[in-house]
Amino acid sequence: SSELTQDPAVSVALGQTVRITCQGDSLRSYYASWYQQKPGQAPVLVIYGKNNRPSGIPDRFSGSSSGNTASLTITGAQAEDEADYYCNSRDSSGNLVVFGGGTKLTVL
Amino acid sequence: QLQLQESGPGLVKPSETLSLTCTVSGGSISSSSYYWGWIRQPPGKGLEWIGSIYYSGSTYYNPSLKSRVTISVDTSKNQFSLKLSSVTAADTAVYYCARPRIAAAGTVLWFDPWGQGTLVTVSS
Repeated sequence: SSELTQDPAVSVALGQTVRITCQGDSLRSYYASWYQQKPGQAPVLVIYGKNNRPSGIPDRFSGSSSGNTASLTITGAQAEDEADYYCNSRDSSGNLVVFGGGTKLTVL
Repeated sequence: QLQLQESGPGLVKPSETLSLTCTVSGGSISSSSYYWGWIRQPPGKGLEWIGSIYYSGSTYYNPSLKSRVTISVDTSKNQFSLKLSSVTAADTAVYYCARPRIAAAGTVLWFDPWGQGTLVTVSS
């Protein structure tokens, strides 16, 4: 399969922990990477691979994977974390790239 | 620090060819093991990978767009480009250039950095 499935919307109370998931057959072979996108801005990489954060990304962002599901966890969500989040990986063949449909995170 | 910047017409007529250029600064586009890629986002919708090119010239395209897409590299200008032919209104989107990176024996792929994106509208 060349698809990655994400929940369209997730909400979290300020300061609480939220998990955003990404499902797909390719995740059994490949790690997911995660991007944060705020309105009118380009996506920003927040997690790549097993659980790697680029420089400048707060350590409240973490990644994990199990079977065909990858997860992005925000521990202690802040108001500035409200954004769309996208996962991506290689497809099952390894030759192509797939993105999830995105999850809109609302911080209450 | 590597930076990418898209450029090209913001309005393209239906059936014509969309042409965009991504200028790379802060590094050489022909550095070994570098890939370069294009991603688009229709208004209000999600991200769609268009294709990628390896520094050697090998290309990889989204099967849904493959018959209409060409990605190429111009090392003399430190640029890479996207051409999408026979466009329709469905091709209206913000187009991003980005650098794909691959690691861990190919098990992980990510895009970083990204250009700021350029909106291309297909309309007569």
